[in-house]
Amino acid sequence: SQTIHQWPATLVQPVGSPLSLECTVEGTSNPNLYWYRQAAGRGLQLLFYSVGIGQISSEVPQNLSASRPQDRQFILSSKKLLLSDSGFYLCAWDRQGDEQFFGPGTRLTVL
Amino acid sequence: KQEVTQIPAALSVPEGENLVLNCSFTDSAIYNLQWFRQDPGKGLTSLLLIQSSQREQTSGRLNASLDKSSGRSTLYIAASQPGDSATYLCAAKMDSSYKLIFGSGTRLLVRP
Repeated sequence: SQTIHQWPATLVQPVGSPLSLECTVEGTSNPNLYWYRQAAGRGLQLLFYSVGIGQISSEVPQNLSASRPQDRQFILSSKKLLLSDSGFYLCAWDRQGDEQFFGPGTRLTVL
Repeated sequence: KQEVTQIPAALSVPEGENLVLNCSFTDSAIYNLQWFRQDPGKGLTSLLLIQSSQREQTSGRLNASLDKSSGRSTLYIAASQPGDSATYLCAAKMDSSYKLIFGSGTRLLVRP
């Protein structure tokens, strides 16, 4: 069966510090991978998606970037965090046309 | 541009009641529609996926329907239980798109 992992689960970072969130998927190959952000009281916002290694599409211009160094690994990064980057970050995967499955999420607080 | 709306935003019902959650979308050219459950502080759990060619899907006490022509989907929960308390989200995937477009969710409280 497929499993999706995210770490860390919780992170508190100062403004201006770098960020690296990691997501890995097990039990499938060549998945589509997604990063979402869920801000307090707001809906899910798609940040990035990837259909293959090294292929990244950005949905919203912002302070964040994404990379996919391996088939089942998706990384969300920032060089300098802003207060507005606080939120709940969710990684997800699917195979085109199928169900999308979500990871447990990372709660990021920028102080 | 596809927009997905969920009404009501919050719902409180006594245990045992049957209930319906509503989801509407503005563009009928959807590829599929998915219902999720989210518990506080947790990720999303997929409940049901309805392909555009399907009218409904069932899983246990849950039944989801899809009417593309009217731009609506409903999630029916039978014999609700306190453990059903959560936020329920619907999301539409458009033809030829990788993106899921989410509604803002319905927060459900089932009172013992």
